[in-house]
Amino acid sequence: GQNIDQPTEMTATEGAIVQINCTYQTSGFNGLFWYQQHAGEAPTFLSYNVLDGLEEKGRFSSFLSRSKGYSYLLLKELQMKDSASYLCAVRDRTDKLIFGTGTRLQVFP
Amino acid sequence: ETGVTQSPTHLIKTRGQQVTLRCSSQSGHNTVSWYQQALGQGPQFIFQYYREEENGRGNFPPRFSGLQFPNYSSELNVNALELDDSALYLCASSFLTGEGYTFGSGTRLTVV
Repeated sequence: GQNIDQPTEMTATEGAIVQINCTYQTSGFNGLFWYQQHAGEAPTFLSYNVLDGLEEKGRFSSFLSRSKGYSYLLLKELQMKDSASYLCAVRDRTDKLIFGTGTRLQVFP
Repeated sequence: ETGVTQSPTHLIKTRGQQVTLRCSSQSGHNTVSWYQQALGQGPQFIFQYYREEENGRGNFPPRFSGLQFPNYSSELNVNALELDDSALYLCASSFLTGEGYTFGSGTRLTVV
């Protein structure tokens, strides 16, 4: 079966760093995506990894290890507006996106 | 770029009824996929269309059907609505195998 696991909830303090982990088992692998979703809104694209290693985009970085079926999203210099759900999604060999249940991050002052 | 637009934004239907949800893809994208997102869950893949043909389907019954039109806009139809169909329905457009999936804001369907 296809399975993507990520923590359900995390909390952090404004200005801190937080790492959200994601492990996956899917039918093939054609890339891993991270999306941010505020309550009641559409997911917005954060990052895409298809090769092993770290991709950095400003305050956000994403890491992938295909051999371990593992990724993480790193958020630096946290701001209150970063309070949202973070969705890990894998594109499988049929090119469909398989999502995890999402990690709800709460940032406190 | 015009983004992905979905209509309607909110909808209330009665159990047993039928519903049609609509999606206009981002300009230049040739692939559209539909997802169902229950409260507190991640989006679940319903199906995907590429050049007007269904080219992938998730674990949803046949009463969930779709269409993609020559201008790459799309419809999701659900027959014989059940209470458990209440969810946020998201449409995403992309290039097939491309990096970016652009999501619409979704249609919140409530079945009573």
